[in-house]
Amino acid sequence: DTGVSQNPRHKITKRGQNVTFRCDPISEHNRLYWYRQTLGQGPEFLTYFQNEAQLEKSRLLSDRFSAERPKGSFSTLEIQRTEQGDSAMYLCASSLVGNYGYTFGSGTRLTVV
Amino acid sequence: GIQVEQSPPDLILQEGANSTLRCNFSDSVNNLQWFHQNPWGQLINLFYIPSGTKQNGRLSATTVATERYSLLYISSSQTTDSGVYFCAAPLLYNQGGKLIFGQGTELSVKP
Repeated sequence: DTGVSQNPRHKITKRGQNVTFRCDPISEHNRLYWYRQTLGQGPEFLTYFQNEAQLEKSRLLSDRFSAERPKGSFSTLEIQRTEQGDSAMYLCASSLVGNYGYTFGSGTRLTVV
Repeated sequence: GIQVEQSPPDLILQEGANSTLRCNFSDSVNNLQWFHQNPWGQLINLFYIPSGTKQNGRLSATTVATERYSLLYISSSQTTDSGVYFCAAPLLYNQGGKLIFGQGTELSVKP
């Protein structure tokens, strides 16, 4: 297992376009988290899944954001009608239930122009 | 909600120097973690330390949960230690493990 994998590493998109990011967690991890990090700030929680169930969503996750984790394996995060304020690093992490030792992916850096 | 405060916000060291980074949290937490974010953005989990002291090579961490703080010690710093150090913790009664991060300490180690 090579850890948590995120694709793409970088994405530049025009305002108003839709984008989708993918996260492949460590295979035996049943929890998967999405965080967003802007320049000079710590990561902020967006949402998390336990297996395929999305159990918590932050108020940061507006209606334009949707996340899925079909079959409890990889996850996708889609942003519709992107805005310049969506520009950030989107980080994915995974862990085991009862073990809070997170493993983060390398992130997807989104730039909305 | 919970506040996680880190100090100092930034730090410049000469290679070989020692340093202490501090993390204060405003509410009861468990499972405090320290992360290092390298210049490429990768967050590496350094310590998972709900209480007590742990050591890993030149790094060690101490958490005093009853006093709501944690310290990260870096000894004999190297240029590869540069980056941003974050502490993070889930709320005590949060079953989902959602982490609250501090603002980070940006460390720059000069050769």
